[in-house]
Amino acid sequence: GQGVEQPDNLMSVEGTFARVNCTYSTSGFNGLSWYQQREGHAPVFLSYVVLDGLKDSGHFSTFLSRSNGYSYLLLTELQIKDSASYLCAVRDGGSWQLIFGSGTQLTVMP
Amino acid sequence: GPKVLQIPSHQIIDMGQMVTLNCDPVSNHLYFYWYKQILGQQMEFLVNFYNGKVMEKSKLFKDQFSVERPDGSYFTLKIQPTALEDSAVYFCASSLNYEQYFGPGTRLTVL
Repeated sequence: GQGVEQPDNLMSVEGTFARVNCTYSTSGFNGLSWYQQREGHAPVFLSYVVLDGLKDSGHFSTFLSRSNGYSYLLLTELQIKDSASYLCAVRDGGSWQLIFGSGTQLTVMP
Repeated sequence: GPKVLQIPSHQIIDMGQMVTLNCDPVSNHLYFYWYKQILGQQMEFLVNFYNGKVMEKSKLFKDQFSVERPDGSYFTLKIQPTALEDSAVYFCASSLNYEQYFGPGTRLTVL
């Protein structure tokens, strides 16, 4: 069936990196977005990808493989304040709606 | 960055009553959305709205739900009558293109 899957939790250490994985299965594909969300706050847009490959945006980089239905968000030089939930969302074909994963809670340890 | 505002942040209401959730979208955006998130679950699309009309809606957008944006003011979601299963956080979003900007949500509790 259709869906977007993410691991529930991820832990990493300050100063290192974290890779948040996302797999999706949709009838069509018109782009994938990543959002950061802190509890009680609005999801904040981080990145949008529609072509295969790695898109480097500094602290956040995004990879997409459409043939594998797979994306990841890579955070480098982690800081404690990067601890948050990271949401993957896919736009399905000609639709405007975003299909969200359940989010990955990243915890950055000192 | 651009901000979407939502009013109120919390609303508690008795089952069967009407509720209106208000969204102040980014001023030059053209597309407007409502999403619903039940505690512990993923955010789910309800409806999107463009040029005064509903463009798409999901099966979660029941007949008791309606949306409007009268005269370019607030984009509203009305639920009439409310049911217990309507308890959730409702997020509004707006966009010019693929980048949807979200508000902080309204937590609706139906008793």
